[in-house]
Order: sequence, then structure tokens, then C-alpha cells
Amino acid sequence: GAVVSQHPSRVICKSGTSVKIECRSLDFQATTMFWYRQFPKQSLMLMATSNEGSKATYEQGVEKDKFLINHASLTLSTLTVTSAHPEDSSFYICSARDPTRLMDGYTFGSGTRLTVV
Amino acid sequence: DAKTTQPNSMESNEEEPVHLPCNHSTISGTDYIHWYRQLPSQGPEYVIHGLTSNVNNRMASLAIAEDRKSSTLILHRATLRDAAVYYCILRGAVSGNTPLVFGKGTRLSVIA
Repeated sequence: GAVVSQHPSRVICKSGTSVKIECRSLDFQATTMFWYRQFPKQSLMLMATSNEGSKATYEQGVEKDKFLINHASLTLSTLTVTSAHPEDSSFYICSARDPTRLMDGYTFGSGTRLTVV
Repeated sequence: DAKTTQPNSMESNEEEPVHLPCNHSTISGTDYIHWYRQLPSQGPEYVIHGLTSNVNNRMASLAIAEDRKSSTLILHRATLRDAAVYYCILRGAVSGNTPLVFGKGTRLSVIA
């Protein structure tokens, strides 16, 4: 099936620094990828839709200047958490769907656990 | 997408069948019923989906009520590795490449 690779799986950074998270579709091309955030014991919340070659679409309440999304190729989307603060500590997950295998559903990355200290 | 209602948590003994219910009384005629699960500290994974008829795959079975207002995900023999949060999600037939919207799901605990 379709594979989405997400790196790093875990990162600890100091408050005020920036962190970049990568999401790659390994065996398919993804014109669209989705970024979610998940706090402990809560469900996934959609942050933004990443579109190859164009600007990302952010959900209400998500600061686009803080969570920079770049989708420069058909296989790579990046999420950069800028000037991270402890409240940004969360589990970040990306998702995409192989357009040639729609019946297989959406594929998710393994997630990135960000801890801001 | 129409709303679904699931129990917050369920418990099962290992090697016994598990029936995870989902209510979706406002489902429309073209909505598909999707199930995903999220193992601890991992991203969600696709389990199964269906429209009207019951569906089986290597992971699970999906039983859909005749009026389609509810469905049940069936794990035939629960293992410890099946402990996860299970999400029931409705998707319109013409949802295209829109994102999945997750509810709270059901947290399944499996007891050895």
C-alpha cells in the first residue's frame, strides 16, 4: 500500500527556536497533504491542507505565520514550527492519499512528537 | 460530513471477538462508512470501509445496519496489538481529496 514517511519521529527543542518536520510520500505522488496536531488523550485536529505548488490552507485558529508549510514537490511537504513555545508541544501527524489507490483510504505518517522546553 | 457517535471506551479479553459500535443517524445516501484506528504513539491507519453491504478484509469485518444508521466494526479475535483508538468516519462519495475529520473515537483495551 501507499507509504508516508515522517521525520523526525521525536524532537526536543528550546523555547524560541524553530523546528522542521518532513512528510514524504514514498511510492506515490501527492498533490495534497494534510497536517494534524494531537494533544494527549485528545483526537486529531486538522491544522492545514498543504497543496503542491501553491499556498497552504489553514484551519480557523491556526496561525499561518507560526506554522509554515511548504509543499515544493509532489512527494514532500514540510511543516516548520517557528518560535516554538511549550504550548506547541504536541504530536504532529501528516496524511496523504494515493490518487491511483483511492480505495485504500488515507495513509498517515508515524507522527512527530515535539517537546518544547 | 455527517456526525458519528461512538462509546468512549471498550474492553475486551484477548482472543475474543470485539464489536465496536458506531451510530450515524444523519447519514446520507451517498456517505461511505470508514474506520481507522490509531495505535499508541502512531499515526492512524485505515481499517475498512463500506457503503451498504457488509465488508470483510484481513483486518476486520464491517456490519452495516439495513437502515444504515449504525454500523459495527468486528475484530474476530482481539490481540494485544489491537489495543488502539478506533474512529468511525463518514465520507461523502464526492469528498474528493478533502481531509478526514476525526471524532473522539473508541479506546479499545485488550486484556491478556
